[in-house]
Amino acid sequence: ELKVEQNPLFLSMQEGKNYTIYCNYSTTSDRLYWYRQDPGKSLESLFVLLSNGAVKQEGRLMASLDTKARLSTLHITAAVHDLSATYFCAVGTSTGSARQLTFGSGTQLTVLP
Amino acid sequence: NAGVTQTPKFRILKIGQSMTLQCTQDMNHNYMYWYRQDPGMGLKLIYYSVGAGITDKGEVPNGYNVSRSTTEDFPLRLELAAPSQTSVYFCASRRTTQETQYFGPGTRLLVL
Repeated sequence: ELKVEQNPLFLSMQEGKNYTIYCNYSTTSDRLYWYRQDPGKSLESLFVLLSNGAVKQEGRLMASLDTKARLSTLHITAAVHDLSATYFCAVGTSTGSARQLTFGSGTQLTVLP
Repeated sequence: NAGVTQTPKFRILKIGQSMTLQCTQDMNHNYMYWYRQDPGMGLKLIYYSVGAGITDKGEVPNGYNVSRSTTEDFPLRLELAAPSQTSVYFCASRRTTQETQYFGPGTRLLVL
């Protein structure tokens, strides 16, 4: 059974600081997804990482994938309050006739002034 | 495009009742998915479909049924609702040639 573990689960950080969220997974995959969820809202796609060594950046967020280590990171640079949300990683595996996503439990990020 | 729409937004069911959660997408996506999200947890896949007439089970299919008669619609049926089915249900879709799944706004279900 595929397991996807995120840490930390809860993160409070000061505005302007840097931090990294980690996503470890237990089986071989070269597809890793990051989503953002605001309270009471749906999920918004942030990044899709499709190969070992893939790195993508959007604004203050940068995601990377190391398939050999089965690890993805989401790095936050100079955090601002608007980044407060829950961040999920998800691993893609091909089962049956389509790709399925297995989600981590999420990291609840609070950026404090 | 409206994207992925879901109805209802919120529903309270009594134990043993049945209901259908509706999901429609107007992006002509072949792949559609149903997930549930329990409080403080990630999403778990219930069922998915790769096209009209084709459905398959995900990680947690027990207590649910789906059908896919058109490309646009992918309803999720709950038979004999149980308290364990209290959750937020998300529908998602994606294009065959793209990796990104687009999520609907969710249906919050409470079974009492």
